[in-house]
Amino acid sequence: KAGVTQTPRYLIKTRGQQVTLSCSPISGHRSVSWYQQTPGQGLQFLFEYFSETQRNKGNFPGRFSGRQFSNSRSEMNVSTLELGDSALYLCASSSGQQKETQYFGPGTRLLVL
Amino acid sequence: LAKTTQPISMDSYEGQEVNITCSHNNIATNDYITWYQQFPSQGPRFIIQGYKTKVTNEVASLFIPADRKSSTLSLPRVSLSDTAVYYCLVGDEGGKLIFGQGTELSVKP
Repeated sequence: KAGVTQTPRYLIKTRGQQVTLSCSPISGHRSVSWYQQTPGQGLQFLFEYFSETQRNKGNFPGRFSGRQFSNSRSEMNVSTLELGDSALYLCASSSGQQKETQYFGPGTRLLVL
Repeated sequence: LAKTTQPISMDSYEGQEVNITCSHNNIATNDYITWYQQFPSQGPRFIIQGYKTKVTNEVASLFIPADRKSSTLSLPRVSLSDTAVYYCLVGDEGGKLIFGQGTELSVKP
C-alpha cells in the first residue's frame, strides 16, 4: 500500500496570504488528522476529519481550517498567514477506529516571510 | 489523556542496546502505549504499540510492567541511522495524539 502523501512538500508565502495544503491518506483509511510542528511548541494537534466531518479539534485560531472529501483526501487551509505559522505541517491517517495506529506523511514545510 | 515523561536526551554507541523509559502514571485502563520515531523534517514513523507485558517486532521491543505506569522501548544493537527523536504516546482521544517533547537519541560511532 502507498503511504500517506502530502503536497506540496515545501512552500514559501508572505504574511497576509493564505495557503492550502493537501493530504492523501493510505488507501482505505477514513480518518485524517493534522498536526503542526515547530521548534518551540513541538508537535501540536490541529484537527481530525472522519467521513468528511470534523471529529476533533485542537486549540488553534479560526484561521486554521480543513475539510475532507468523499475519497478521504483532506485539505488544510491557513488564512492571513503570520510569521509564526512557519512550521512543518503533518497529516496522519488511520482507519478511524478507536486505538488504531496513525501513520504520518512526510509533511509540508511552510515558510512565511 | 495521560501525560508522559521521557528523558530529554540519551547518548549511545553503535552496536549497543538502548532502552528508553517513559512514565505514564495516569494511564487509563483501556489506553495503549505507542512509540514513534522522527527524523529531522520528516513525519513521525510508527515503531511499536502495546498494552501489557512484552511486544516485539522486527525493529524494537516494548516492555510494559504489570501496573502499566511506565514502559520501556528497547532498540537492539543501534546504528548511526537510529539517531532520531523518539516519542512515547498514551491514549488516543478520537484521533488526537498528544506528543510530549520526546527523547533525542544520539548514536555515536
